[in-house]
Amino acid sequence: KNEVEQSPQNLTAQEGEFITINCSYSVGISALHWLQQHPGGGIVSLFMLSSGKKKHGRLIATINIQEKHSSLHITASHPRDSAVYICAARGSNYKLTFGKGTLLTVNP
Amino acid sequence: DVKVTQSSRYLVKRTGEKVFLECVQDMDHENMFWYRQDPGLGLRLIYFSYDVKMKEKGDIPEGYSVSREKKERFSLILESASTNQTSMYLCASSTPAAVSYNEQFFGPGTRLTVL
Repeated sequence: KNEVEQSPQNLTAQEGEFITINCSYSVGISALHWLQQHPGGGIVSLFMLSSGKKKHGRLIATINIQEKHSSLHITASHPRDSAVYICAARGSNYKLTFGKGTLLTVNP
Repeated sequence: DVKVTQSSRYLVKRTGEKVFLECVQDMDHENMFWYRQDPGLGLRLIYFSYDVKMKEKGDIPEGYSVSREKKERFSLILESASTNQTSMYLCASSTPAAVSYNEQFFGPGTRLTVL
């Protein structure tokens, strides 16, 4: 069974700071997802990647398949980025194994 | 845009009641999922359906059942609600795993409280 670990669990930043959230998994995967969940809200998919790097606006996701590690970066962070960020690893089938999430708070 | 809707945002039920949570998706997705989300535990898969009338148990199916009579609708049933089923329930849908971009789309969630 895949174990997915995220760090840190909680992260507080000042507006404008560069933020990194890390995700490690224990067995090989076919894809890794980064998800965002606002308080009381549903979950939105940010990225799905199986190699290299993807960028969308101020968000960047990278994955290193050999090291079984992925990072989510936020450049020029803003209070509206405050949310829970969740990584999820997909094996050879449909199932996702989720990390416990990182609660990000960006203060103005 | 893919839309996944859930029948209620908030629900309060009493111990022993039968509870139905409904999920509808409008993208003709084959796969549908029910998760529960609890603090410190993250999201855990309850049941999964890969086609009409087909279902598979997830990691925590005990105390739950599901129904998928139509492709767009996936129902989660708590046969006899208990207090330890108080949680946030999230539904999701996706294309089959064979499709390269097998992204899951989530509904807004139902926060269920069992008294």
